Parts: sequence; C-alpha cells; structure tokens
Amino acid sequence: GENVEQHPSTLSVQEGDSAVIKCTYSDSASNYFPWYKQELGKRPQLIIDIRSNVGEKKDQRIAVTLNKTAKHFSLHITETQPEDSAVYFCAASIDGMRFGAGTRLTVKP
Amino acid sequence: ETGVTQTPRHLVMGMTNKKSLKCEQHLGHNAMYWYKQSAKKPLELMFVYNFKEQTENNSVPSRFSPECPNSSHLFLHLHTLQPEDSALYLCASSQESQENSPLHFGNGTRLTVT
Repeated sequence: GENVEQHPSTLSVQEGDSAVIKCTYSDSASNYFPWYKQELGKRPQLIIDIRSNVGEKKDQRIAVTLNKTAKHFSLHITETQPEDSAVYFCAASIDGMRFGAGTRLTVKP
Repeated sequence: ETGVTQTPRHLVMGMTNKKSLKCEQHLGHNAMYWYKQSAKKPLELMFVYNFKEQTENNSVPSRFSPECPNSSHLFLHLHTLQPEDSALYLCASSQESQENSPLHFGNGTRLTVT
C-alpha cells in the first residue's frame, strides 16, 4: 500500500518568513495530493490540493509543487503569520487517502 | 456548521463497556470514512464506505465494528477496547471514494479507554 513520509516533524519560523514542508510517497499510481491544516482541538481542513497532471498550484500565500518522477511534493507558505501556526498534513490518494505524520508549524510574532 | 457532525465530542469508557460513535454528513456525499488520530502518528484509515457498502477494512481489530445504514450516517460500535485504543476518532466524507475527492472531516470524538 501507499506510504507517505513527511518532514520536518516540527518547524519554527519568524513571522514574515517562508515555511516549506516536504512529503514523499511510495506508490507511483497515486494521483491526488491534498494538504490539510489542523489547529489545536479542531478538525483537519483542506487548504490546497494538486493532481498528478499539474506540477504547481498557488493560492495566495500558499503553493504546492509536485515532482512525479521523484515522487515528492511540497507545501510552501510565504509571508507567514501567527495564525498559520498549526499542524499540517500531506496526503496521497490511492485506494483511500494516506496521510503523513504531520508537521507542527509555529510562527513566532 | 462543519457539514460533518460527530457525537459525542468526548467519551470515557472502561474496557468492558460497549459504546457507539455517531457521524452524520449534510453534504450530499456518497462516501464516508473512519480515521484514528493518535499522538505523533499519521492519521490511520480504518474503514471506507461508498454508497453504503464497505469498500475497505484496513486490518482493524474486530472490537471496532462499523455500520453505515445510509449515505448520510456512519457509526462505529466499540466493545472490549484496550487503553491503546484511546485516540481522536475522526469521521470524514467525500463525493465518492475516488482517488481525487477531498475529504471533509468532522470535529472528532476524543476517546479515552480506562
């Protein structure tokens, strides 16, 4: 089955800096890669997703890149704000959604 | 309103108890899922239902028993659980259990097994 690895497990940045979270997946048949944000005590919420026929997607301060050959994809957050502090999960979809272990992002004001 | 509602929010049960978790979605989706979220572990897919039919059981112990009476409701029946089953149980729904359908999560049930 699919195996998704996510790095780093924790990330601390200064407000205004950029943050990058990276994920790798094992099954080359995976074709859908969403990213979820989970604030403390709340449910995971979809923030951006990318499909395998696209290499990059951007939505305001958030962007995701996908390298199908290397089987890795990354989340980029620019101009980080304290409210970006949360746990971020990547996922790859084949035979059901498989998630990475999560990255706890802390944005210091 | 999240569109996916889970009850109860918190549950404490002994190892000999029987309890049930409930999930309801108001999004018109056809697929529903149970995930287990433990500290410092990836979200673990437990069960998948598509159009009320179970399409995946991810090697989950039989002390967890799902039920999907219709596309809007999903239950997780619990009996003789172990302390290591303590976790946040998240229900989710999607348009169908296809590979490229975003998941919509409920707020979860925080389960503690004593």
